[in-house]
Amino acid sequence: QVQLVESGGGVVQPGRSLRLSCAASGFTFRTHGMHWVRQAPGKGLEWAAYISSDETKINYIDSVKGRFTISRDNSKDALYLQMNSLRPEDTAVYYCAKRGFCSGGTCYPWHFDSWGQGTLVTVSS
Amino acid sequence: SALTQPASVSGFPGQSITISCTGSRSDVGAFNYVSWYQQHPGRAPRLMIYDVNSRPSGVSDRFSGSKSGDTASLTISGLQAEDEADYYCSSNTGEFSWVFGGGTKLTVL
Repeated sequence: QVQLVESGGGVVQPGRSLRLSCAASGFTFRTHGMHWVRQAPGKGLEWAAYISSDETKINYIDSVKGRFTISRDNSKDALYLQMNSLRPEDTAVYYCAKRGFCSGGTCYPWHFDSWGQGTLVTVSS
Repeated sequence: SALTQPASVSGFPGQSITISCTGSRSDVGAFNYVSWYQQHPGRAPRLMIYDVNSRPSGVSDRFSGSKSGDTASLTISGLQAEDEADYYCSSNTGEFSWVFGGGTKLTVL
């Protein structure tokens, strides 16, 4: 079964950097787009970033553009999120999520199919 | 901007409830790509409905989805105690961009 395990969260001061990782297993990682979705404490879900299977399509929510970089290593079945110039409002649990699924030769790519357990990032002085 | 959901809904066991999700012609109204997620406290979200009204394997047929214009809906029939959770809708908003609703807390009375 699909397993996604995030790591790299922690407490960091405003303006500093942090790199999150997501280890994937149980599916063919190299053929699926991947997302980062975040959730501030006590708040709702917020889509943050997307990367296609071949890294040719990348997009971010406006509030992280220019500060966050999503990347992947298909040889290691790993997804990353480099977060620079962190702000207190970036404090959240960060989830990696698999983009959709394929079945019987048909793909359904427009939802978040499987999620990791999340890693908490706290930006505070 | 975020899709609009009611902050809370409630119902008694065995009853049916519906959670609405209102967007615009740029998201919910433009695509049949609305999905719904269930999240219990301290847990990761779980996919319940995709592409407006499709259920992934393993999700009870008590959960159903629909859409009319710019508003999508999640209906849970035969409410059970374990359905008590937060529910979020999501929609594609264009090429490689997604948005979530603010979330709805379901209380089973």
